Amino acid sequence: GAVVSQHPSRVICKSGTSVKIECRSLDFQATTMFWYRQFPKQSLMLMATSNEGSKATYEQGVEKDKFLINHASLTLSTLTVTSAHPEDSSFYICSAVGGRDNQPQHFGDGTRLSIL
Amino acid sequence: LAKTTQPISMDSYEGQEVNITCSHNNIATNDYITWYQQFPSQGPRFIIQGYKTKVTNEVASLFIPADRKSSTLSLPRVSLSDTAVYYCLVGAPTGGGNKLTFGTGTQLKVEL
Repeated sequence: GAVVSQHPSRVICKSGTSVKIECRSLDFQATTMFWYRQFPKQSLMLMATSNEGSKATYEQGVEKDKFLINHASLTLSTLTVTSAHPEDSSFYICSAVGGRDNQPQHFGDGTRLSIL
Repeated sequence: LAKTTQPISMDSYEGQEVNITCSHNNIATNDYITWYQQFPSQGPRFIIQGYKTKVTNEVASLFIPADRKSSTLSLPRVSLSDTAVYYCLVGAPTGGGNKLTFGTGTQLKVEL
């Protein structure tokens, strides 16, 4: 089945640090990748939609200068949390979908980001 | 985007069949229904997807009535390891992907 790898699985860093999270589709080409954020005991919230070779589309309320998304190839998208602060601490999850119709999103295992 | 409504939680015992129903009254013609399972600190895992009638795979069945305004995920003979949050989503998975809106999900707790 479709496999999506997310790295790192956990990050702990100081306030003000920028953190990059990678999302890779291992066995299929992902024309579109999505980035979500999930707070404890809550559902996933979509942050942005990323299409290969074009600028990401951000959901309302998500700062694009804060959360930089790059989708440079059909198998890799990155999310960079710039100048992270404690309120950015969360569980970040990516998903990827191939180019054919009727394909479901396949999710990575998430990145736990803790800002001290 | 079609909104979904699911029970917040359900309890069951090992070996029983569990049916989780999801309401999606505003489902669009092109929308598919997809169910995901999520364990704590992991990403959601795809369970099953369907458009109408019944779909079955090795882990679950999905029942969709003719009006498609609801769907039921059926898990046969659950075990403790099926304790998780189950999300029902609707959307049109066209080429290039269509964004999905996650609802609250259903927390299933399976006990001995």
